[in-house]
Amino acid sequence: SQTIHQWPATLVQPVGSPLSLECTVEGTSNPNLYWYRQAAGRGLQLLFYSVGIGQISSEVPQNLSASRPQDRQFILSSKKLLLSDSGFYLCAWSRLADTDTQYFGPGTRLTVL
Amino acid sequence: AQKVTQAQTEISVVEKEDVTLDCVYETRDTTYYLFWYKQPPSGELVFLIRRNSFDEQNEISGRYSWNFQKSTSSFNFTITASQVVDSAVYFCALTSGTYKYIFGTGTRLKVLA
Repeated sequence: SQTIHQWPATLVQPVGSPLSLECTVEGTSNPNLYWYRQAAGRGLQLLFYSVGIGQISSEVPQNLSASRPQDRQFILSSKKLLLSDSGFYLCAWSRLADTDTQYFGPGTRLTVL
Repeated sequence: AQKVTQAQTEISVVEKEDVTLDCVYETRDTTYYLFWYKQPPSGELVFLIRRNSFDEQNEISGRYSWNFQKSTSSFNFTITASQVVDSAVYFCALTSGTYKYIFGTGTRLKVLA
């Protein structure tokens, strides 16, 4: 069966510091991968998605970036965090078809102070 | 443009009551997919159901049931005999492809013992 991992689970960072969140998927090959952000009490916003190694599509312009160095690894980064970057970050995967069900990881709660 | 509306921000029920969570969607596409996810306090989104636009048959899974009506663009979710463990935020989502899910803002369900 497939599993998706995210770390760290929680993170408190000062404004202006860098960020690196990691997501890995096990039990499948060539997954589509996604990064979402959920602000407090709100819905989910798609940030990035990837259909393959090195292929990243950005949905929302911001100071975040994503990379996919390996087939089942997806990384969310920032060079300088802003207060507005605080939120709950969820990684998801799906099979190749773009309408396939997305399955979510446990999430990372980021607080920028 | 596509849109998902979950007008109920928060619902409170007493254990063993039935509760229906509403989801209304907008899309011009003839082929689309609808989803329900559960987000317990731990934060992870748990997939509940996927329905395509050509299948209007209602579905029942244990205490959960879903009513899909294209005529009213609704995909409502009913929990029968609610339990405290059903307390969570429930999200409805829509996709027609292009890898992007459109999520509603969620309905927080509180089941009181």
